[in-house]
Order: sequence, then structure tokens, then C-alpha cells
Amino acid sequence: KQEVTQIPAALSVPEGENLVLNCSFTDSAIYNLQWFRQDPGKGLTSLLLIQSSQREQTSGRLNASLDKSSGRSTLYIAASQPGDSATYLCAVYTSGTYKYIFGTGTRLKVLA
Amino acid sequence: DGGITQSPKYLFRKEGQNVTLSCEQNLNHDAMYWYRQDPGQGLRLIYYSQIVNDFQKGDIAEGYSVSREKKESFPLTVTSAQKNPTAFYLCASSMNPETAPLHFGNGTRLTVT
Repeated sequence: KQEVTQIPAALSVPEGENLVLNCSFTDSAIYNLQWFRQDPGKGLTSLLLIQSSQREQTSGRLNASLDKSSGRSTLYIAASQPGDSATYLCAVYTSGTYKYIFGTGTRLKVLA
Repeated sequence: DGGITQSPKYLFRKEGQNVTLSCEQNLNHDAMYWYRQDPGQGLRLIYYSQIVNDFQKGDIAEGYSVSREKKESFPLTVTSAQKNPTAFYLCASSMNPETAPLHFGNGTRLTVT
């Protein structure tokens, strides 16, 4: 059974810092991994999707990497800003299950 | 603009009553999903549908029902059999979950007293 873990559960950093959020999964038979952002009381917004054949994806100040063999992904946020404060979730779409499994998220606070 | 609309944003019901949450998408997506989000537990899959007139139970389907009569609509009914229905409910859709991103609505917060 696929399990997805995110560490740390919460993170507080000063503005301008580069930071790394971690996501690990137990079953490497995935189609893709997706990173999302969730603001309080809102739905999830897709940030980056990495196919199983890819190693990384970039969008602006965000870079996500995928190491399928070790069951790990990282989301790198460069030059963090207070507007980056949100909960970040990762999810994997596992082969043969037809569904996404989500981690419990990392709650990020960027201090001005 | 294309997107997923969930209504209402807040819903209050008395225990014992069934309630239906609306989810409409104009993205022309085949796959649609219902998730439940509780504090500290992440998102848990209730039901999913890969195509019109077909749907499957997710991990926590007990006490819920769905229908998929139209491609753009995937309503969720929370029945009185659901033991702890108070939660934040999220609807999502994807053109092809193997290759395309998952899109979410803004959620419905259901409170049952």
C-alpha cells in the first residue's frame, strides 16, 4: 500500500531564505508526482507535476526533483517571500490504482 | 475561465439529514474525484470517476454516495450513515491523471450538529 510522508510538518523561515521541502513515498511504481499549494480554507493549486521518467521540473522560483528509485522528491523554493506562506502537499499517482495518494503537508510560514 | 465550481462554500445540517454537495467542471475532464480533508490527516479519497456513468469507491466511501450522469457534474451525497461528516470536502478533476495535473475546486465546509 502506497504511503506518502512529508517532513517537516511545519517550517518557519525569514524572508529571502532558500528552503527545501521533502516528500517520500513507499512504492516506486508511480506514474507521476505532483506538488500543490493550499492556502487556508481554499482548494489546492497545482505547482509542478513530474512524470516518472523525469528527474525535475522548474517553474519560476520553484524546482521539484524526483528520485523514483529511492522514493523521494524535494520542492526547492528560492528566495522565499511572505506570499509563499501556505501548506505544501505532495501526491503520487500510483500505477494500477487509478488514484492519487497525498502526504499530510508541510505548513510554511515566511516571516517578513 | 475554465475551472471547478463547488457549492455551497459553507453548509450546515442537523444530524440525521442527508446533504448533497455540488461539483461542476467546465474543463472537459473525464476523471473526477471527491476528497475529504480533516486537520492533520491530509486528503482521503471518497469516490472517483474515470468516465461518465461509471464511478468507484475510494478509501473512505462508507456513508457517501455519488452519481456521474454528465461529464461536467459529480455530486456527492453525505448520508446519515456517515458517522463523522463534519469536514472540508474537495472536488478535483483531471484530463488524464497519468500525465496531466489534478485541478481542485475551492471546497465545501460541511458542519453537522
